[in-house]
This record gives sequence, structure tokens and C-alpha cells, in this order.
Amino acid sequence: KQEVTQIPAALSVPEGENLVLNCSFTDSAIYNLQWFRQDPGKGLTSLLLIQSSQREQTSGRLNASLDKSSGRSTLYIAASQPGDSATYLCAAAMNRDDKIIFGKGTRLHILP
Amino acid sequence: EPEVTQTPSHQVTQMGQEVILRCVPISNHLYFYWYRQILGQKVEFLVSFYNNEISEKSEIFDDQFSVERPDGSNFTLKIRSTKLEDSAMYFCASSPDSATNEKLFFGSGTQLSVL
Repeated sequence: KQEVTQIPAALSVPEGENLVLNCSFTDSAIYNLQWFRQDPGKGLTSLLLIQSSQREQTSGRLNASLDKSSGRSTLYIAASQPGDSATYLCAAAMNRDDKIIFGKGTRLHILP
Repeated sequence: EPEVTQTPSHQVTQMGQEVILRCVPISNHLYFYWYRQILGQKVEFLVSFYNNEISEKSEIFDDQFSVERPDGSNFTLKIRSTKLEDSAMYFCASSPDSATNEKLFFGSGTQLSVL
């Protein structure tokens, strides 16, 4: 059974710093991995999706990497801004049409 | 931009009562889902729905739960007799095609509180 774990559970960093959020999964036979952002009172927004054949995806200041063999993914946020404050969720899918299995998330707070 | 709409945003009910959570998926989407998140816990899959029937359901989705697409636009989750442990944020999601987990759009959620 796939388990997704995220460390740390919470993180506070000063504005402008680069940071890394970590995600690990127990079953390396994933089909894809996504990073979501969750804002209070709002839904989940997909930020980046990495297929199992890919090593990384980039969108603006965000870069997500995937290492299937070690069961790890990272989300790198460059030049953090207060607007980046949110909970970031990592989620894995085992097949193309399969449900998404989420981690508990990392609650990020960027200090102005 | 099209979005998934959920109503109400907050629902308070007494234990044992029936509740219906409502969702309006994006209009051209074909696959529909309910997920839930108990406070402090992971977002968990409940059920997926396609072509007017359940495609997959988790062990959480027992006989107390049902889903329906009554009129071609709404997608509802019914809990027949709520329990305290049903208190959670319930998210509806929809997807346009069979690559369902790659193009998943979530609603803002309904916070259900069972007293």
C-alpha cells in the first residue's frame, strides 16, 4: 500500500530565501507525482505534475524533482515571497486513472 | 476560468442526521470525485464516479455514503446518518478525460461539523 510522507510538517523562512520541501513514498512504481497548494478556505490547486519517466518539472520559481529509485520528490521554491505562504501537498498516483494518494502536507510560512 | 463549485461552504448537523453535500463540476468534465480531509490528517479518497456509476470507492465509503448526479450538472454526496467522525472538509473534484489524475480540479470544500 502506497504511503506518502512529507517533512517537515511546518516551515517558516524569511522572504527571499530559497527553500526545499520534501516528499517520500514507499512504493516506487508510481505513475506520476503531483505537488498541490492548499490555501485556507480554498481548494487544492495542482502546481506541478511529474510523470514517472521524468526527473523534474519547472514552473516559474517552482521546480519539482522526482527520484523513483529512492522514493523521493522535492519541491524547490526560489526567492520565496509572502504570497507563497500555504500548505503544500505531495500526491502520488499508481496508474493513469488511479486515485491520488496524498501526504499530510508542509505548512509554509514566509516571513515578510 | 471554469471552476468546481461546492455548497454549502460550512454545514453543521446533529449526529444521526442526513446531510447532502453539493458540487457543480466543470461543465465539460466527465469524471467526478469526492475526497475528504479530517482536521490535521491527510486528504483521503472517498469515491470516483463516471458514466452515472461508481468507478471506485475506498473502505471509508461504506453504506452510509452515496453519490448521485441527479440532473446532469450537480454531483452530490449524501451521508445518511452522520457520525462524529464524519466531521471533515469534503472536497469535490472533476476531470475532463480518462487521464483523471493529471487534470484534476478541486472545489473549495465543504466543512462538515457533526455535533
